[in-house]
Amino acid sequence: EAGVTQSPTHLIKTRGQQATLRCSPISGHTSVYWYQQALGLGLQFLLWYDEGEERNRGNFPPRFSGRQFPNYSSELNVNALELEDSALYLCASRFDPGPAGYTFGSGTRLTVV
Amino acid sequence: GQQVMQIPQYQHVQEGEDFTTYCNSSTTLSNIQWYKQRPGGHPVFLIQLVKSGEVKKQKRLTFQFGEAKKNSSLHITATQTTDVGTYFCAGRGLTGGGNKLTFGTGTQLKVEL
Repeated sequence: EAGVTQSPTHLIKTRGQQATLRCSPISGHTSVYWYQQALGLGLQFLLWYDEGEERNRGNFPPRFSGRQFPNYSSELNVNALELEDSALYLCASRFDPGPAGYTFGSGTRLTVV
Repeated sequence: GQQVMQIPQYQHVQEGEDFTTYCNSSTTLSNIQWYKQRPGGHPVFLIQLVKSGEVKKQKRLTFQFGEAKKNSSLHITATQTTDVGTYFCAGRGLTGGGNKLTFGTGTQLKVEL
């Protein structure tokens, strides 16, 4: 069974540009979660999608947005990039109800220069 | 909002020594999970605790959930170099936030030979 896949692995953008990050959950998982992990720091909750709907969002500005497609894959968009957006963006999926833990992808390393 | 703190932030041990990380939530939790993130990797789910006072063991790892369901601990007996990484607790609140997990600040463990 394929795990959670994220693309691209690395992304370098210029301040002010837009970034699009993609995530494919484990087959059958309907919930997708996005987290931001700045270098050496913990995981900050960004967004939760389930069945195509945004269910919850963290304390991030509106320029962080996303969506979930009918096949449950998801996209995270970051507009008007700032230097402090540089981080590892992790996507996780989970089947609800189902086994408790999140399965994380390997992440997208976003660097804003 | 809900906050989850972990101590210590860093821990260096000699191989064979024991290690403990403590997790404290600002609010009562419905359950708590533990994850391990190897250097350069992504978080991997270890275990979930649900009941007040629950204790679970995985080989050399012992997990506890406090009686008040606001704190938890992870104890590793006789550390090995394979235990290197950052250990995160993650709590789910009783109300609101749906399935959102709030991750702790993490404890980075280094094991020296």
